[in-house]
Amino acid sequence: SAVISQKPSRDICQRGTSLTIQCQVDSQVTMMFWYRQQPGQSLTLIATANQGSEATYESGFVIDKFPISRPNLTFSTLTVSNMSPEDSSIYLCSVSRLTSTDTQYFGPGTRLTVL
Amino acid sequence: KQEVTQIPAALSVPEGENLVLNCSFTDSAIYNLQWFRQDPGKGLTSLLLIQSSQREQTSGRLNASLDKSSGRSTLYIAASQPGDSATYLCAVSPSGTYKYIFGTGTRLKVLA
Repeated sequence: SAVISQKPSRDICQRGTSLTIQCQVDSQVTMMFWYRQQPGQSLTLIATANQGSEATYESGFVIDKFPISRPNLTFSTLTVSNMSPEDSSIYLCSVSRLTSTDTQYFGPGTRLTVL
Repeated sequence: KQEVTQIPAALSVPEGENLVLNCSFTDSAIYNLQWFRQDPGKGLTSLLLIQSSQREQTSGRLNASLDKSSGRSTLYIAASQPGDSATYLCAVSPSGTYKYIFGTGTRLKVLA
């Protein structure tokens, strides 16, 4: 298993500002992902965080809006830039070791409210 | 484009009932399928993972089946309990990737 922590757990931000969310894993993992869950919706993948290289973004998500860093195999950050109320969501980090089971483990999420 | 749909969207049952949650996906080229549970204010917990070559997986009172050719999976919960109340999410991993595409979820409430 993998234990994942996220900081902050929640935040209320003003329109136009940026917030950086941290994801820390208790052991080295191969893959790290960032998801968004808008109110009443399911999860949508934002990007795959690649260690030592630029993240791979899904359709509809761009690096200027959601810059991601992954400096090592246990840590990643997601920044939500120039926020608007539409960015109010839960942001979740998930990891996978690419073992035979390929189970994905999820962090507790960061609940973001933009006023 | 892979799309994942779950039926029903919400379900309320009395304690002790056996129930079935359904998941359908549009593209059968998947690496695996996973069922998750999400409790309010918490992250996701993996319940069962079915590899594309498998037909079903069981864990305790839970049994998940996979019919890749028809693009369907079911999660069977036996003898439901109030503690089973949560949102259940189905997610598929497209072949050649390690990411997951999530379904719309089923919100389950088990009444004591």
